[in-house]
Amino acid sequence: DAGVIQSPRHEVTEMGQEVTLRCKPISGHDYLFWYRQTMMRGLELLIYFNNNVPIDDSGMPEDRFSAKMPNASFSTLKIQPSEPRDSAVYFCASSHRTSGSIFEGTDTQYFGPGTRLTVL
Amino acid sequence: EDQVTQSPEALRLQEGESSSLNCSYTVSGLRGLFWYRQDPGKGPEFLFTLYSAGEEKEKERLKATLTKKESFLHITAPKPEDSATYLCAVQGNSGYSTLTFGKGTMLLVSP
Repeated sequence: DAGVIQSPRHEVTEMGQEVTLRCKPISGHDYLFWYRQTMMRGLELLIYFNNNVPIDDSGMPEDRFSAKMPNASFSTLKIQPSEPRDSAVYFCASSHRTSGSIFEGTDTQYFGPGTRLTVL
Repeated sequence: EDQVTQSPEALRLQEGESSSLNCSYTVSGLRGLFWYRQDPGKGPEFLFTLYSAGEEKEKERLKATLTKKESFLHITAPKPEDSATYLCAVQGNSGYSTLTFGKGTMLLVSP
């Protein structure tokens, strides 16, 4: 398997512009996660999906951030309008629960290479 | 709320100088504790999952151990290629629980 694929790898944009980050999870994985990583705050969970449905978006910092998962093999994270404080590395990860029950099994998350976003 | 604290923040070792990284956690029932390795400019790479106190797992020069309050990542006779940031994360057992990550330990192994 090719692993989690993210694009673009680097994005430089100006404040106020719209930014769209893309992710293709590992085939067969039913959970997809979007994270943001900064030196100050480490890895922060923004939102996650189960079977293409958003489950928890409490980590999304503001209404400027939105995420969609139109099908099992594609997700986007959009920032509109972008601000300099959004500069960070954004990771997508996917996982598959090892058991059919939410009360059993663990969830090893596999990460993509990330998108380094710089907002000027 | 689940919490993970990793120490030290950074560690510099000479090649062959063994040491340990610490991950202290609080969680309302542990489903799993995860160790990841992250190289500069790359995404975290999965290393181990530990499920219960007393469990140990090994991979090459790395050995992870788990108690009820903390986990250690022991690095035996490290090589420069072991240089990376090591991340620890916990998953609780209340329904579906996401991973809570620590901020990591940056390890530099000098030749």
